[in-house]
Amino acid sequence: AQSVAQPEDQVNVAEGNPLTVKCTYSVSGNPYLFWYVQYPNRGLQFLLKYITGDNLVKGSYGFEAEFNKSQTSFHLKKPSALVSDSALYFCAVRDTHNQGGKLIFGQGTELSVKP
Amino acid sequence: GAVVSQHPSRVICKSGTSVKIECRSLDFQATTMFWYRQFPKQSLMLMATSNEGSKATYEQGVEKDKFLINHASLTLSTLTVTSAHPEDSSFYICSAVHSGGADEQFFGPGTRLTVL
Repeated sequence: AQSVAQPEDQVNVAEGNPLTVKCTYSVSGNPYLFWYVQYPNRGLQFLLKYITGDNLVKGSYGFEAEFNKSQTSFHLKKPSALVSDSALYFCAVRDTHNQGGKLIFGQGTELSVKP
Repeated sequence: GAVVSQHPSRVICKSGTSVKIECRSLDFQATTMFWYRQFPKQSLMLMATSNEGSKATYEQGVEKDKFLINHASLTLSTLTVTSAHPEDSSFYICSAVHSGGADEQFFGPGTRLTVL
């Protein structure tokens, strides 16, 4: 079965410092991986995705993620965190075994950036 | 482009009543839409896959008679919570897959349902 795990419920970072939000996955076949951000009482906003190609994927708002096949990881990173980055972050893998490509989400990581 | 709206954004109803939530793709056609449920600070739980012109596919444990889904057009799917009870209170989020695109999901802003 395909799954994705976010080992940290919460990540705390000081503004201006680099941030990493971790994600590991388990899939059969080639993974389609996604990162989304959710602000309070809002829907999900797409940040970036990995389908194929370069292992380093650049996305919205200065975020990037590195696909590491040997470690089955897809960690989200940003060189310099902003207070406005504080939100709930979800990693997801697309279920390629089912038509329609439903997403399987990790449990989410709450990012808190302090001034 | 690729905007998905939900209506209403927030609804409060009495126990035993039914509530309808709409999900619309505003600037693209969506053959497939998904309905999710989210509890506070938790992940999204997929409830069902809504396919235009056919019956929805429900995830295990989701009562299809309780959560009625209708996907009557390529831009509209509705979720009706029938005979709602306080335990149905939750944040409901839909997403739509662009029919002509790279099957990326675009998410609606969510609907907060509170059942008294």
